[in-house]
Amino acid sequence: QKEVEQDPGPLSVPEGAIVSLNCTYSNSAFQYFMWYRQYSRKGPELLMYTYSSGNKEDGRFTAQVDKSSKYISLFIRDSQPSDSATYLCAAPPRGSYIPTFGRGTSLIVHP
Amino acid sequence: SAVISQKPSRDICQRGTSLTIQCQVDSQVTMMFWYRQQPGQSLTLIATANQGSEATYESGFVIDKFPISRPNLTFSTLTVSNMSPEDSSIYLCSVEGPSGVGGSYEQYFGPGTRLTVT
Repeated sequence: QKEVEQDPGPLSVPEGAIVSLNCTYSNSAFQYFMWYRQYSRKGPELLMYTYSSGNKEDGRFTAQVDKSSKYISLFIRDSQPSDSATYLCAAPPRGSYIPTFGRGTSLIVHP
Repeated sequence: SAVISQKPSRDICQRGTSLTIQCQVDSQVTMMFWYRQQPGQSLTLIATANQGSEATYESGFVIDKFPISRPNLTFSTLTVSNMSPEDSSIYLCSVEGPSGVGGSYEQYFGPGTRLTVT
């Protein structure tokens, strides 16, 4: 079992939809979680950090962590075609800053 | 944040040959990282390269196949040796730096090198 599991998609939604992207993890030592966004032919860039269970909001993006079920979510409100990208969840093991990545979910927002 | 460039951006290579990928960072960094991103697979760490010492390889990756150089604090190379079609992948260079989104540190990535082996 991979430490961070993510459905690769693709997930196709119309512009304006609410998008839900999800990951599960198996390593209880993960202390914080990250979402990276990767546009086509670009490297990943960090979108959001979450340290604890609960929600963290940043503009149209909300990251949610449920440590009891080892479940991570990223919600995108009022999705835009410019949100079309691959979203990777990631978490570093205890004592390291180097994250373990999920496979990424490809999101397509069509006008 | 760090700005990272990679050369080449893409290449098509013959089986059995080798390709050296260059990574340049706009600031001095202690550690540089090399990742592989195969189609449909996780971003996987190949090795960590510190200036002045041997690179540290992750399980499943060996120096003979992926030799790395780190001659100074802003530059590194990764060579993919004796290539086979299974080496077709995107190879990404990365550095660690203070996070711009509220965390402690984050990985900054280059644009990647898209390698196809025929």
